[in-house]
Amino acid sequence: GIQVEQSPPDLILQEGANSTLRCNFSDSVNNLQWFHQNPWGQLINLFYIPSGTKQNGRLSATTVATERYSLLYISSSQTTDSGVYFCRGGSEKLVFGKGTKLTVNP
Amino acid sequence: EAQVTQNPRYLITVTGKKLTVTCSQNMNHEYMSWYRQDPGLGLRQIYYSMNVEVTDKGDVPEGYKVSRKEKRNFPLILESPSPNQTSLYFCASSLSGGWGYGYTFGSGTRLTVV
Repeated sequence: GIQVEQSPPDLILQEGANSTLRCNFSDSVNNLQWFHQNPWGQLINLFYIPSGTKQNGRLSATTVATERYSLLYISSSQTTDSGVYFCRGGSEKLVFGKGTKLTVNP
Repeated sequence: EAQVTQNPRYLITVTGKKLTVTCSQNMNHEYMSWYRQDPGLGLRQIYYSMNVEVTDKGDVPEGYKVSRKEKRNFPLILESPSPNQTSLYFCASSLSGGWGYGYTFGSGTRLTVV
């Protein structure tokens, strides 16, 4: 089945810094989502982005389906951005990556 | 408020004692799914349902049962729980297909089997 690799596995930032999280797929992707799991465990849907670029406030995401990767950008990070970011994608079968754990320090 | 409601939030049970974790959504979503989350393994799909009376196995269905008699409800049943089913469980729903807009998770159920 499709393999999903997220990088980096861990990221520590100071408040105000920018970051880029990456999701690579081993096979073709025509559906892709990004989620945030906050420190209390709640999973929030951030983007549905099978291709192209979307922005929502300080967050934006870009998927290049032909090259089988997606990027999540976080600008001017805040402590509330801490948590784990997951991508989920694939074609017929969608698979979660193992996540990037982000810690934003004040 | 549009939401997916799971109950209970926390559950400690003994090996072999049947239990049900309920999941209900109020968004008229066709697709519903159950996941378990374990350290180092991420989120793995247990079962999913594309619509009423339509259910399919995910990646780790062994030891679990589901039913979808009504659109809004998708209970997860553990007939004979074992300690390796100790995990954090999430229910999710979406409008269609499992990948579209409005993919919404419940708050999670932390299950401990002793």
